[in-house]
Amino acid sequence: GAGVSQSPSNKVTEKGKDVELRCDPISGHTALYWYRQSLGQGLEFLIYFQGNSAPDKSGLPSDRFSAERTGGSVSTLTIQRTQQEDSAVYLCASSSQGLAEAFFGQGTRLTVV
Amino acid sequence: KNEVEQSPQNLTAQEGEFITINCSYSVGISALHWLQQHPGGGIVSLFMLSSGKKKHGRLIATINIQEKHSSLHITASHPRDSAVYICAVRQGGSEKLVFGKGTKLTVNP
Repeated sequence: GAGVSQSPSNKVTEKGKDVELRCDPISGHTALYWYRQSLGQGLEFLIYFQGNSAPDKSGLPSDRFSAERTGGSVSTLTIQRTQQEDSAVYLCASSSQGLAEAFFGQGTRLTVV
Repeated sequence: KNEVEQSPQNLTAQEGEFITINCSYSVGISALHWLQQHPGGGIVSLFMLSSGKKKHGRLIATINIQEKHSSLHITASHPRDSAVYICAVRQGGSEKLVFGKGTKLTVNP
């Protein structure tokens, strides 16, 4: 595709349900990042994938959060047993040259009710 | 105290004015990024700096490693520059970024 694609663009879920957010990076980009932007807050790093290396999961806020990247391309961020404080915009970015040339998706706005 | 502090939080300017947004950080870094977030939420990476100064069109970014400070300047500002500008720093060899809370810029015609 022409850019980083995220789906869904909006997701409303009930507290306690699991959700999956998808990111389709730009073809050929080996690096993929997930960030979170809560209302009124700055961006927060969640997880980073680079090629076949072990992902940097140091930003995941709890063990309810997990992410995988299949075949070095599409990534899925999964939030189990969602809580209201998980409500945020979840942004994905991909790059072929590290963060200097990262391209961001439009984000998934998650609302937990 | 946030590791990355931006000022001002909000900035309103008239078209044509010279804009400066500041970023101070308290940790050792390997690089500093300036990002632009448009009202619709899309984010664009503007600059990555590890030293000195970079220029792209009407945008100029500078960094002083000793003072742990960076500035983003916009010359001849235009309403289309209205956006949130975010400073982010990368520590050591990590790809993890620590973000400032952003500066909301509004340029009026």
